[in-house]
Amino acid sequence: EPEVTQTPSHQVTQMGQEVILRCVPISNHLYFYWYRQILGQKVEFLVSFYNNEISEKSEIFDDQFSVERPDGSNFTLKIRSTKLEDSAMYFCASSPFTDTQYFGPGTRLTVL
Amino acid sequence: GQNIDQPTEMTATEGAIVQINCTYQTSGFNGLFWYQQHAGEAPTFLSYNVLDGLEEKGRFSSFLSRSKGYSYLLLKELQMKDSASYLCAVRPHNQAGTALIFGKGTTLSVSS
Repeated sequence: EPEVTQTPSHQVTQMGQEVILRCVPISNHLYFYWYRQILGQKVEFLVSFYNNEISEKSEIFDDQFSVERPDGSNFTLKIRSTKLEDSAMYFCASSPFTDTQYFGPGTRLTVL
Repeated sequence: GQNIDQPTEMTATEGAIVQINCTYQTSGFNGLFWYQQHAGEAPTFLSYNVLDGLEEKGRFSSFLSRSKGYSYLLLKELQMKDSASYLCAVRPHNQAGTALIFGKGTTLSVSS
């Protein structure tokens, strides 16, 4: 069964550094998403992406964040200057034209 | 604002039936989803309701009442592996590729 994959599984970085989190959505899906989950808290929407454009973003997704689909398979989330409060599990998800979003295994980001 | 409420924790025994409730108040409604999340893992899709009524899928059923802003997830013949968090999520906007708003999740503990 096709799955969303994410790399790396765990990323440790220093405050102020840039990080790029990578995702490979399910191949025939059209919509891509990033969510985050701070330890012990709820899953929070960051951004959705369709047809090479952001279709929706939350208040969390400020100028420090950007997304890109650099080729036909990868979908990336960049955080330009990480803060301590960016420490969280970041989930990529994808969906076909229908509604259900399928989540990847996540990247645990630790900012020191 | 968007508000989704679920009980924080529930306990049950193997073989029993458990019902996890979810109430929501959102700016719009275009579907309700239930996901299962084991500790440290990604949310896994369980069910989707957009019309009132009961959707059954094996040991899992989900019910929706849009007029009451209410859903429940029913788990039958509980197994130890059902110990997990169960996340209720609403899609407020009437477009594909838009955000899911999650509740805080209900942690279910199944004992023998």
